[in-house]
Amino acid sequence: EPEVTQTPSHQVTQMGQEVILRCVPISNHLYFYWYRQILGQKVEFLVSFYNNEISEKSEIFDDQFSVERPDGSNFTLKIRSTKLEDSAMYFCASTGGTSTDTQYFGPGTRLTVL
Amino acid sequence: AQTVTQSQPEMSVQEAETVTLSCTYDTSESNYYLFWYKQPPSRQMILVIRQEAYKQQNATENRFSVNFQKAAKSFSLKISDSQLGDTAMYFCAFMKHVKGNNDMRFGAGTRLTVKP
Repeated sequence: EPEVTQTPSHQVTQMGQEVILRCVPISNHLYFYWYRQILGQKVEFLVSFYNNEISEKSEIFDDQFSVERPDGSNFTLKIRSTKLEDSAMYFCASTGGTSTDTQYFGPGTRLTVL
Repeated sequence: AQTVTQSQPEMSVQEAETVTLSCTYDTSESNYYLFWYKQPPSRQMILVIRQEAYKQQNATENRFSVNFQKAAKSFSLKISDSQLGDTAMYFCAFMKHVKGNNDMRFGAGTRLTVKP
């Protein structure tokens, strides 16, 4: 069964550094999402992406964040200058193909900012 | 704006028993989807069950079923014959019924512990 994959599973970085989180959505999906979950808190929407552009973004998704689909398979989230409060699990999700009513989540990337 | 409320931070149940997790939501939309996701200690988000708001029949998936009350904006999850592997965080989520391109709104979660 197709699944969303994410790399790395765990990323440790120093405050102020740039990080890129990678996702490979399900191959025939067209809509892509990033969510964040700070430890012990609920999952929060960051951004949605369709047709090579951002469709919607939350107030969390400020100028430090950017997303890109650099090729036909990868979907990336870049945090330009990480802050301590960026430490969280980051989930990628995708939907599309014959069904756009269910989002399939990747296993997440745990980002730790020191 | 849509909000999702899960009023039970933690619950426990004995193995083989039945447990119900509560969820309420607020929306002005007439058509939407509701979901329950399970998050085990690995923190993977696993879809448990899905309900379309335009369907009156409650969704079921094996031991999991929902009680969807549209007028009351309530969407509870019933787990029958609880198993140790059901121990996890459970998140209720809402999504508008628009083709693709929808963000999901999650509740704060309920931590369920199944005791042997």
